[in-house]
Amino acid sequence: DAGVIQSPRHEVTEMGQEVTLRCKPISGHNSLFWYRQTMMRGLELLIYFNNNVPIDDSGMPEDRFSAKMPNASFSTLKIQPSEPRDSAVYFCASRKDHTGELFFGEGSRLTVL
Amino acid sequence: AQRVTQPEKLLSVFKGAPVELKCNYSYSGSPELFWYVQYSRQRLQLLLRHISRESIKGFTADLNKGETSFHLKKPFAQEEDSAMYYCALSGAGGGADGLTFGKGTHLIIQP
Repeated sequence: DAGVIQSPRHEVTEMGQEVTLRCKPISGHNSLFWYRQTMMRGLELLIYFNNNVPIDDSGMPEDRFSAKMPNASFSTLKIQPSEPRDSAVYFCASRKDHTGELFFGEGSRLTVL
Repeated sequence: AQRVTQPEKLLSVFKGAPVELKCNYSYSGSPELFWYVQYSRQRLQLLLRHISRESIKGFTADLNKGETSFHLKKPFAQEEDSAMYYCALSGAGGGADGLTFGKGTHLIIQP
């Protein structure tokens, strides 16, 4: 398995534009997580899904952020409209059952000008 | 609420010296603790977890419930240990909880 796959790896956009980040979890994993990494706050859990259903989205900063998981092999994180303070590395991770170990993607580095 | 504290943002030691990265947690139940590592330009990966009681790449970590700590230790640091280290906690109970991470410690091993 290629592991968790994220795209794009890098995104530079202007304030106000819509940003869509994509994630393909490891096949057979039924939990998917979105994290945001910044220097100031470290790794923050934004939202996680279990069996494609959002379980906890309390970490989503505000209504500009939304996440979907239409099927077991794909998830998106959307920011609309984007703001400079959204600049960060966004990680997707997946987990099989409740084993505890998360497998991370390589991250999507977002820069909002 | 669960919380993980890594008091050191940056830790610099010389090659061959002992290393200890501190981690304290706050959780009312029985937590599961992990250390994740992120080498330069690579993805986060699991280093070790307390339930397995393993030594990985010379690192060990013991869960101390009395002190609510899970410090990561290595007796002799190597240059390739330079990386970001994150302590993480997962609540028990079998729920699909996301891991709560500390803010990370940047370990630099000087030659």
